[in-house]
Amino acid sequence: GDSVTQMEGPVTLSEEAFLTINCTYTATGYPSLFWYVQYPGEGLQLLLKATKADDKGSNKGFEATYRKETTSFHLEKGSVQVSDSAVYFCALSDVSSNTGKLIFGQGTTLQVKP
Amino acid sequence: EAGVAQSPRYKIIEKRQSVAFWCNPISGHATLYWYQQILGQGPKLLIQFQNNGVVDDSQLPKDRFSAERLKGVDSTLKIQPAKLEDSAVYLCASSSTAAVANTEAFFGQGTRLTVV
Repeated sequence: GDSVTQMEGPVTLSEEAFLTINCTYTATGYPSLFWYVQYPGEGLQLLLKATKADDKGSNKGFEATYRKETTSFHLEKGSVQVSDSAVYFCALSDVSSNTGKLIFGQGTTLQVKP
Repeated sequence: EAGVAQSPRYKIIEKRQSVAFWCNPISGHATLYWYQQILGQGPKLLIQFQNNGVVDDSQLPKDRFSAERLKGVDSTLKIQPAKLEDSAVYLCASSSTAAVANTEAFFGQGTRLTVV
């Protein structure tokens, strides 16, 4: 079945450092890809998405490009802030059912130190 | 716009007891999801409703879990009897359109269940 694999955390960075969180997927067909973020004490929020190959999703300085050839959707940010500390989830939509069902990776905790 | 509301936020019960969670989706959202998030894992879909009909309940342990969506709005998820491995955060989410692959889902804060 479809699956998502993320790099293990926690990832600890200093403020203004460059961030990469790796995400690869396995899917039949061409799913839409998402990054969700969960700040402490809050619910999951959509950070960005891409719906087809070579699309780039971007929001709040974060970017991710849908790479069909490498089945990847890595999250990047050029300069992280303390406020970016959160858990980040990569997810794909289940194309075979086309119901909006999301399949999530295990999450990567990011801690940014001042 | 009010978000997805869930209650309670926290619940501690003994194994073999029963528990119920409540979710109120964003007004007008036809699709409602219940996800289970075990510590250290990503959320996993338990059940999906489209209005008051079930779209997918293939991952719902039906011997102990049940869910309903009254009049296509609020939903309740029940566990009876609970097991230790049911300890998790239960997330409710909703989306606006007939569920399609690139629709954004909006999540509530979740209910953290601890079974002792």
